[in-house]
Amino acid sequence: QSALTQPASVSGSPGQSITISCTGTSSDVGSYNLVSWYQQHPGKAPKLMIYEVSKRPSGVSNRFSGSKSGNTASLTISGLQAEDEADYYCCSYAGSSTYVVFGGGTKLTVL
Amino acid sequence: QITLKESGPTLVKPTQTLTLTCTFSGFSLSTSGVGVGWIRQPPGKALEWLALIYWDDDKRYSPSLKSRLTITKDTSKNQVVLTMTNMDPVDTATYYCAHGTTTWFDPWGQGTLVTVSS
Repeated sequence: QSALTQPASVSGSPGQSITISCTGTSSDVGSYNLVSWYQQHPGKAPKLMIYEVSKRPSGVSNRFSGSKSGNTASLTISGLQAEDEADYYCCSYAGSSTYVVFGGGTKLTVL
Repeated sequence: QITLKESGPTLVKPTQTLTLTCTFSGFSLSTSGVGVGWIRQPPGKALEWLALIYWDDDKRYSPSLKSRLTITKDTSKNQVVLTMTNMDPVDTATYYCAHGTTTWFDPWGQGTLVTVSS
């Protein structure tokens, strides 16, 4: 069982917006603005999409945005495109003993 | 451009020790702030962080696997090595190395599938 809780699946139609939640605790998500999000297409390595809750690496579309409230972080994808269909994982720093925790992953289906 | 590539055995027997090597280019592990981490993913399952080593040889381990893991670096060869002892079939997974810190990983290597079976 993963440390961070994500919905198993979400779906949306092209052009719509979707949000994926990532719920942790006061020991990880709630205590640090150090949440990252990764996109993984089948058979491929994960790709960093968001870091430090809401920052986008160079080259990542501005359709991807991140936020956090309390112990829950969120990834929002606007203007859904077919190429966005993938698995998404959240990750958080969890302090100086646990260090890194991942979520269980969310499968995004573009209808 | 930063690239990383994992190498090692594709099949190990139960109780054996796994040794994986991450060979990278595009950055130096002697540069302040830089680190290389290992993350694994069992087939059809979620990502699990294993370990990370920093430029200054500071090391971080997953608490649940700490007793079985060792991470080292060879700066001159641009390599990071992960060893995992007492392998079990539940350790069957794709093992990734990635450039990063304990707060982000970017980019990742292509991954290497390790199967544990007798």
